[in-house]
Amino acid sequence: KQEVTQIPAALSVPEGENLVLNCSFTDSAIYNLQWFRQDPGKGLTSLLLIQSSQREQTSGRLNASLDKSSGRSTLYIAASQPGDSATYLCAVCEDTGNQFYFGTGTSLTVIP
Amino acid sequence: GAVVSQHPSWVICKSGTSVKIECRSLDFQATTMFWYRQFPKQSLMLMATSNEGSKATYEQGVEKDKFLINHASLTLSTLTVTSAHPEDSSFYICSAENRGLREKLFFGSGTQLSVL
Repeated sequence: KQEVTQIPAALSVPEGENLVLNCSFTDSAIYNLQWFRQDPGKGLTSLLLIQSSQREQTSGRLNASLDKSSGRSTLYIAASQPGDSATYLCAVCEDTGNQFYFGTGTSLTVIP
Repeated sequence: GAVVSQHPSWVICKSGTSVKIECRSLDFQATTMFWYRQFPKQSLMLMATSNEGSKATYEQGVEKDKFLINHASLTLSTLTVTSAHPEDSSFYICSAENRGLREKLFFGSGTQLSVL
């Protein structure tokens, strides 16, 4: 069974800093990997989707990388802003089915 | 893109009542929908897989008589929490599979259930 781990569990940075969130998974046979953002009491917002054949995806200040062989993905946030404060989840979609396995998330606080 | 609408966003109910949550795929047909729940500070956990026209498949430890799932059409799945109790208070999210798009799974905005 796929296990997804996110480190760190919580992160606090001053505004303007660049930061990296880490996601690791145990089974490299994946279909894709997604990074989500979750604001308190709200649903998930999909940030970036990386197909298993891709190595990275970029959207604005966000860049996600994928290294399937090592079972790792990173989410890079450039020039962080207070509005980036949220919980970030990575989710791995298994190769054989449609089930997503979620990490426990990283709670990010960007201090003005 | 594909849009999944989940309703309601918030619901507060008394213990013992039943609550129905709807998940709709607005611009695509979803043969498969998934229901998740999330406890505070924990990750999302899959509850059940809902297939149109057939019985849902529940994950281990999820009471199927308590969490009734109906997927009567290709665009609608419902989750009914029967005889809700305070321990059922949680965040429930659905996702729908869009086989026509590479992204495949799209998520609803979630439902925060509070049982008094």
